[in-house]
Amino acid sequence: EDKVVQSPLSLVVHEGDTVTLNCSYEVTNFRSLLWYKQEKKAPTFLFMLTSSGIEKKSGRLSSILDKKELFSILNITATQTGDSAIYLCAVEGGAQKLVFGQGTRLTINP
Amino acid sequence: ETGVTQTPRHLVMGMTNKKSLKCEQHLGHNAMYWYKQSAKKPLELMFVYNFKEQTENNSVPSRFSPECPNSSHLFLHLHTLQPEDSALYLCASSQNRAFAGNTIYFGEGSWLTVV
Repeated sequence: EDKVVQSPLSLVVHEGDTVTLNCSYEVTNFRSLLWYKQEKKAPTFLFMLTSSGIEKKSGRLSSILDKKELFSILNITATQTGDSAIYLCAVEGGAQKLVFGQGTRLTINP
Repeated sequence: ETGVTQTPRHLVMGMTNKKSLKCEQHLGHNAMYWYKQSAKKPLELMFVYNFKEQTENNSVPSRFSPECPNSSHLFLHLHTLQPEDSALYLCASSQNRAFAGNTIYFGEGSWLTVV
């Protein structure tokens, strides 16, 4: 059965800190890995990763995929209170099914 | 605004009620989905529609009944629900059923409480 595990489940840091969120997966016929940010509303798309070792970057957020070790990380530098959210990792496998992890609840304190 | 609109945003219903959740997408997508998000659990895929045809039912109890009259609209009909069905129900859409190269867009969700 396809599985996505995120860690940590919860993280509290101070504004200005750098955080790294982890996502490991076990899927058959991997196709893509996606990161979403969910505040108190719809999850919003951050990144889609399909190739190993190529960093995707958007402002202070970046993400990279390791298809050999079956994981991805999401980095946020110089965190701000607006970064507080649940970060969701999802992986598409051979069944064209998007499997989500439990999410990491990130809290940024001023 | 993601282009996927859900109504109502909040719903409280008794276990004997019948209600419906509505989803509309303005993105010209062909695939639509219902997901359930419960506290401390991963998002669970419930149903998938591709070109108005149901292509997936993830062993969802029959008290949840989806309807897709056209590619832009998706309903979730609810009847005789249980308190454990209380959750955030998210609608989503994507250009086509296959994800690689397609982004899935979510609505803001309908918070359902069953009393």
